[in-house]
Amino acid sequence: DAGVTQSPTHLIKTRGQQVTLRCSPKSGHDTVSWYQQALGQGPQFIFQYYEEEERQRGNFPDRFSGHQFPNYSSELNVNALLLGDSALYLCASSLGLAHNEQFFGPGTRLTVL
Amino acid sequence: AQSVTQLDSQVPVFEEAPVELRCNYSSSVSVYLFWYVQYPNQGLQLLLKYLSGSTLVKGINGFEAEFNKSQTSFHLRKPSVHISDTAEYFCAVSEGVRGGTSYGKLTFGQGTILTVHP
Repeated sequence: DAGVTQSPTHLIKTRGQQVTLRCSPKSGHDTVSWYQQALGQGPQFIFQYYEEEERQRGNFPDRFSGHQFPNYSSELNVNALLLGDSALYLCASSLGLAHNEQFFGPGTRLTVL
Repeated sequence: AQSVTQLDSQVPVFEEAPVELRCNYSSSVSVYLFWYVQYPNQGLQLLLKYLSGSTLVKGINGFEAEFNKSQTSFHLRKPSVHISDTAEYFCAVSEGVRGGTSYGKLTFGQGTILTVHP
């Protein structure tokens, strides 16, 4: 049973570019949440997708957008990249919107130069 | 709004010694509490969770935590640590909403780096 998978593992971009990160949830899960973890910090909630809709959003600008597909996989898009967007981006999946355990993927390390 | 404070950024300890990692939270509603562990260059793994019931929660790898509502704390403990416990530990809270169901948004603390020395 595959857990949460994310791609790519690492990514290097330059300021102003756009990036797309991908996440496949754990088998049987239908909810995907995205978190940003800056170096030396705890993860911060970006948004959550359920039934292909954004259900909750953290304190992130509109440059951060997402999508969920019918197979429950998800994408995180970041436009007009800033140096401060450099971080580990974590995807977590769960079943439904309740307080069930969230299973985290290994993350995508984004470096913005 | 909910928040989490991990009182120690780094905790060094010798192998086989006991350890306590401290976590305090603030929230205006009922909460669900979690401890996650992160090994270098990896994602987060759930150690244990408190949703309801007994305030003493046992998790994986010999860890346990106690929910103290009056002190708004959820400290993590292990009676005897191993070298392999060296990692970063995160306390997280999810708020309950009306009807007993939260929406799963986790708020994390800043993390505590546990270093176990031989």
